[in-house]
Amino acid sequence: KAGVTQTPRYLIKTRGQQVTLSCSPISGHRSVSWYQQTPGQGLQFLFEYFSETQRNKGNFPGRFSGRQFSNSRSEMNVSTLELGDSALYLCASSFMESTEAFFGQGTRLTVV
Amino acid sequence: DAKTTQPPSMDCAEGRAANLPCNHSTISGNEYVYWYRQIHSQGPQYIIHGLKNNETNEMASLIITEDRKSSTLILPHATLRDTAVYYCIVRVRTGYSTLTFGKGTMLLVSP
Repeated sequence: KAGVTQTPRYLIKTRGQQVTLSCSPISGHRSVSWYQQTPGQGLQFLFEYFSETQRNKGNFPGRFSGRQFSNSRSEMNVSTLELGDSALYLCASSFMESTEAFFGQGTRLTVV
Repeated sequence: DAKTTQPPSMDCAEGRAANLPCNHSTISGNEYVYWYRQIHSQGPQYIIHGLKNNETNEMASLIITEDRKSSTLILPHATLRDTAVYYCIVRVRTGYSTLTFGKGTMLLVSP
C-alpha cells in the first residue's frame, strides 16, 4: 500500500511569493492534517481536513490556507511568504478523524 | 502545550533494550497514549498506542502504569536505525483532536 505522498520534496521561494504544496493520502484515508516543523518551534499543527471541510485549525495567520478535494487529496497554500515560513511542511493522513495518523516525508520550503 | 514530559536524550547500546519513559500525570480517562518517532529530516513514524492495557506490535511494546500517569516504550533489541527523536503524545480518539508534539526524547543507539 502506498504511503502518504507529498510534492514537491524541496522548494525555494522568494519573500513575498506564494507557494502551494500537495499531499496525496493513503488510499482510503479521508482525513488529512498539515504540520509545520521548524528548529525553534518544533512540530506545530496547521489544520485538518475531513470530507473536504476544514475541521480544525492551529494558531497560524490567515496567509496559511488549505483545501481538500473529493478524492481526499489536499493542498496547502502560503501567501506572501516570509523568511520565517522556511520549514519542513508535513502532511499526515488517517482513515477517520482521530485514528492513527501516518506522515509523508514532507516538503522542505526555503524562503530567501 | 504538550501534556507529556520526556527526558531530552537517552543512550542505548546496539542489541540492548531501549526503555523510553513518558510522564503524563494529567491524562484524562478518554485519552490514549501514542508514540511516534522521527528519524532525522523524515516525517514522523507511528509506532504504537494504548489506553490502559499493555500493547505490543512488531516495532515495540508499550507499558502503561495502572494509574495511567506514566508509560514506557520498549524497543526490545535496539539497532542503529532506531536512532531518532521519540515523541509521546496523549490524545482522545473522538472528534477532531490533533497530535500535539513536545520536544521528545533523542535516542542515540551506539555500536
